[in-house]
Amino acid sequence: NAGVTQTPKFQVLKTGQSMTLQCAQDMNHEYMSWYRQDPGMGLRLIHYSVGAGITDQGEVPNGYNVSRSTTEDFPLRLLSAAPSQTSVYFCASSWGQPRDNEQFFGPGTRLTVL
Amino acid sequence: AQKITQTQPGMFVQEKEAVTLDCTYDTSDQSYGLFWYKQPSSGEMIFLIYQGSYDEQNATEGRYSLNFQKARKSANLVISASQLGDSAMYFCAMSPGAGTALIFGKGTTLSVSS
Repeated sequence: NAGVTQTPKFQVLKTGQSMTLQCAQDMNHEYMSWYRQDPGMGLRLIHYSVGAGITDQGEVPNGYNVSRSTTEDFPLRLLSAAPSQTSVYFCASSWGQPRDNEQFFGPGTRLTVL
Repeated sequence: AQKITQTQPGMFVQEKEAVTLDCTYDTSDQSYGLFWYKQPSSGEMIFLIYQGSYDEQNATEGRYSLNFQKARKSANLVISASQLGDSAMYFCAMSPGAGTALIFGKGTTLSVSS
């Protein structure tokens, strides 16, 4: 199993550009989520999904969209990049409810917005 | 409000000594999960240990143990016999109630010296 994969590893964008961060898992996990990590802030939840076709907002959803058309994939879209979105982005998944199960993290995407 | 507090920005310990990383949490839910993750300088998130709110015994995983004091709402991580490779950022996290994702603390940087 590849686990949770994220592409790209690094990305530089100009303000106003859009892009999609890819996340995929091959463990048949129902729960998937996106976090961003900023210095001194820990990880904060952007969006999450409890299954294909079901998504919801987390703590910091503004400026991001998600969709979950398959169990395996959970892409994160930046609609119009801003310097405040410079961060490290992590995708995570778990087999069952995160309350009861380990979340598996991808390796992260380091995004810089100029 | 659901919240995780890690009050130690940095901790220093010598090799082979034990160290305790503090974590307190706030939730009104009766059912929740508590987690510790390690993030080395390479950036990946490594799951260390899990404690369910109804677990009566403290969780242990090798050199890691979780000192769970429910009445005090604390979930401290104890690392016995520290090793140089333990130098990393450590995050405490909680998944409350319906448990759709994790709430993270801001982290503690652990430095182990020889």
